[in-house]
Amino acid sequence: AQKVTQAQTEISVVEKEDVTLDCVYETRDTTYYLFWYKQPPSGELVFLIRRNSFDEQNEISGRYSWNFQKSTSSFNFTITASQVVDSAVYFCALRTSYDKVIFGPGTSLSVIP
Amino acid sequence: NAGVTQTPKFQVLKTGQSMTLQCAQDMNHEYMSWYRQDPGMGLRLIHYSVGAGITDQGEVPNGYNVSRSTTEDFPLRLLSAAPSQTSVYFCASGNGGAVYNEQFFGPGTRLTVL
Repeated sequence: AQKVTQAQTEISVVEKEDVTLDCVYETRDTTYYLFWYKQPPSGELVFLIRRNSFDEQNEISGRYSWNFQKSTSSFNFTITASQVVDSAVYFCALRTSYDKVIFGPGTSLSVIP
Repeated sequence: NAGVTQTPKFQVLKTGQSMTLQCAQDMNHEYMSWYRQDPGMGLRLIHYSVGAGITDQGEVPNGYNVSRSTTEDFPLRLLSAAPSQTSVYFCASGNGGAVYNEQFFGPGTRLTVL
């Protein structure tokens, strides 16, 4: 079975602090894709990043960085120097070879000015 | 391109009524899916389709039907609405198969069942 766990339900940080959002996934497939999406208070879902199971290279994009570790089945997301505009719900998602895309329960991030 | 469109944006139903949530995309995507979003539950997959004429069940399919007669459209039908189906419904589309990329989401439909 496929499963995505985001153990952090809510996180509050003060502006300019760094914050890491955790994602742990379960799958028996050897080929799979992992995603992060952002849902700001306005409600739309915004794609942030995609990783496939053969690409463990970590990535930095501006203030965002991602740490993919197959050994621990984790795909964590870090925001450096957080800003109020980063306040949102962040979802981790898993797509397997059966084409199902399963989402985690989400982590609500509040950045306090 | 309009992307993924959903209608209606809001809907109130009475228990037992039926209705169809519409979803259309103009990006020629093979993959389309329906999710429901409830507080604390994230997005749960209801049904999905990997191409016209092909549909499959997701995590929470009970009470919902889908069909995919064209690449562009993927309607979601509630045959007999129940209060437990009160939720925000999102439709999404994306490339399928070996060139799978991210999903593009519609703006959502907020459904209340009384």
